[in-house]
Amino acid sequence: QVQLVESGGGVVQPGRSLRLSCAVSGFTFSNYGIHWVRQAPGKGLEWVAITWFNGGGEYYADAVEGRFSVSRDTSKSTVNLQMNSLRVEDTAVYYCARTYGDYRSAAYYYGMDVWGQGTTVTVSS
Amino acid sequence: QSALTQPRSVSGSPGQSVTISCIGTSSDVGNHKYVSWYQKHPGKAPKLIMYDVGKRPSGVPDRFSGSESGNTASLTISGLQAEDEADYYCCSHTGSYTWVFGGGTKVTVL
Repeated sequence: QVQLVESGGGVVQPGRSLRLSCAVSGFTFSNYGIHWVRQAPGKGLEWVAITWFNGGGEYYADAVEGRFSVSRDTSKSTVNLQMNSLRVEDTAVYYCARTYGDYRSAAYYYGMDVWGQGTTVTVSS
Repeated sequence: QSALTQPRSVSGSPGQSVTISCIGTSSDVGNHKYVSWYQKHPGKAPKLIMYDVGKRPSGVPDRFSGSESGNTASLTISGLQAEDEADYYCCSHTGSYTWVFGGGTKVTVL
């Protein structure tokens, strides 16, 4: 059974850091990209970042470029989202999600099929 | 990375059809056709309901259909049911290793 489970959310002051984790299971981790998507309170979904399959690269939304970094730990089948210089506007539920297809298929670019349950990040003084 | 444009809300009675538009640019929706749609109920994770413009993942009812014309993708829900009341989001690959979502559309079943 394909599963993604986020952890690490919490309350943090502006300017501080927080690291989220996404533990994956039930599929060949190295063949899939993992997205991070967030939803601020009362707002829509916002794409945040992706770690390319097999650690082939990381790409970010302009809103988080230079402050957030994504990494994958193959030995633990985990993806981490390191969030630095946090701002009030980063307050959101953060989801990790798998690319729809593996790297060998066009479906890789179609979006996300399996999502975690989300973890809440609150940035407040 | 500007968000794709969706209507804020649409509504319909049970059994009717509603269509949600998703307007992008020639760089995203119009260029790569890598458009997907998600259904989101409050407090739940998003659910993929459409990809590659008009293809449905396994288990998604055929009441959901998709289309595309130029820089605009559309999602149609036919035979509207109470459980279809949710927020719907379109998403497109931008061609530069990034993705972008629409602002979301609230579907209300009257």
